[in-house]
Amino acid sequence: QVQLVQSGAEVKMPGSSVKVSCKTSGGTFRRNTVSWVRQAPGQGLEWLGRISPYVGTRNYAQKFQGRVTIIADKFSDTAYLELSSLRSEDAATYYCAIDGGFGYFDPWGQGTLVIVSS
Amino acid sequence: EIVLTQSPGTLSLSPGERATLSCRASETINNNYLAWYQQKPGQAPRLLIHGASSRATGVPDRFSGSGSGTDFTLTISRLEPEDFAVFYCQQYGSSPMYTFGQGTRLDIK
Repeated sequence: QVQLVQSGAEVKMPGSSVKVSCKTSGGTFRRNTVSWVRQAPGQGLEWLGRISPYVGTRNYAQKFQGRVTIIADKFSDTAYLELSSLRSEDAATYYCAIDGGFGYFDPWGQGTLVIVSS
Repeated sequence: EIVLTQSPGTLSLSPGERATLSCRASETINNNYLAWYQQKPGQAPRLLIHGASSRATGVPDRFSGSGSGTDFTLTISRLEPEDFAVFYCQQYGSSPMYTFGQGTRLDIK
């Protein structure tokens, strides 16, 4: 069964960077794409970007271009999201999710809460 | 960027009733690549429907999706107590620029 397990909550200062991990199991890493989606408290869902680890392609939402980096470690089947120049509006729960090649997301990780506070 | 507008914002119904949720796109969604998700408090979203009308694995058949072009609907035929949650639509027709609707909250009346 496919599972995604994310790293724990983070508290960051404004202007700093955060790196969130997403470890996959079940053999999905090799043939799928991993996307990152965030959700601010009480708000909706927002797609940040995706990576296809074995093809080597990345795509980012225009809004986050220049601030977001998504990488993948094929040896540990883990994807990472790094977001820089954090501001208060970046406080959210960040989810990773498997995109099976079509663009819909199933399954999802449990989410990582990122708090941005001075 | 394709903008998705969901309506109503909140829907209050009783168990056993039928729920109809709408998702309207600002332009035609290629191949009807529209998905629906359910999210309960404190949980990650769960895929219900993809390709506008295909149920995901394990999703009860009281959930159905329909529509094409710019207008899509999620119907829950007879509400069960566990169905009350927030529902989001998502388009993936303009891959890889994915967008979500703002959500519809389904409350118990």
